[in-house]
Amino acid sequence: EVQLVESGGGLVQPGGSLRLSCSASGFTFSTYAMHWVRQAPGKGLDYVSAISSYGGSTFYTDAVKGRFTISRDNSKNTLYLQMSSLRAEDTAVYYCVKDREYEFWSGYPDYWGQGTVVTVSS
Amino acid sequence: DIVMTQTPLSLSVTPGQPASISCKSTQSLLHSDGKTRLYWYLQKPGQPPQLLIYEVSNRFSGVPDRFSGSGSGTDFTLKISRVEAEDVGVYYCMQSIQLRYTFGQGTKLEIK
Repeated sequence: EVQLVESGGGLVQPGGSLRLSCSASGFTFSTYAMHWVRQAPGKGLDYVSAISSYGGSTFYTDAVKGRFTISRDNSKNTLYLQMSSLRAEDTAVYYCVKDREYEFWSGYPDYWGQGTVVTVSS
Repeated sequence: DIVMTQTPLSLSVTPGQPASISCKSTQSLLHSDGKTRLYWYLQKPGQPPQLLIYEVSNRFSGVPDRFSGSGSGTDFTLKISRVEAEDVGVYYCMQSIQLRYTFGQGTKLEIK
């Protein structure tokens, strides 16, 4: 059974930093691309970032480019999202999502974690 | 970005009755590999989204056959043949032909 467990969310002041983690199990983590998708309170789904299975290719939505960094440690079956220069508009539930393929441009998101809440406020 | 537009934004359905949700994209979702990159997700209350349909019409693992998807190019439809109480939630369409992937606004399904 695919399991994705996010952690690292919390309350942070504007301009601060957080690192989200996603621990994966139930599948061969190193052979699948991964994504981060967020959902602001009461809003719809917003695509954030993606990384290929080997970590060599990444993508960021314009709103987070230069502030967020996606990475993975295949030896630890863990996906990360380093977030800096946080803004109020980054407040959301952040979901870790597995892709169907090893490259994120050839597959699609299939399994989602339960999410971790990030609140940016003073 | 490709804009995904869903209609209606909400619907209330009697159990056992059908339901239909439309999703339109601002450009064709037909990829050069022949696959159409349109997906449907359901977010049940208090839960993360779950994949229902991939590449327009393929039901994901464990999805009941009362769910079906159809369409081509820029116009797509999700149909539920007989709505059940467990189908409540928000339905989203999503495109993956162009990064950044984009989602429809969501359609909230309620039971009468």
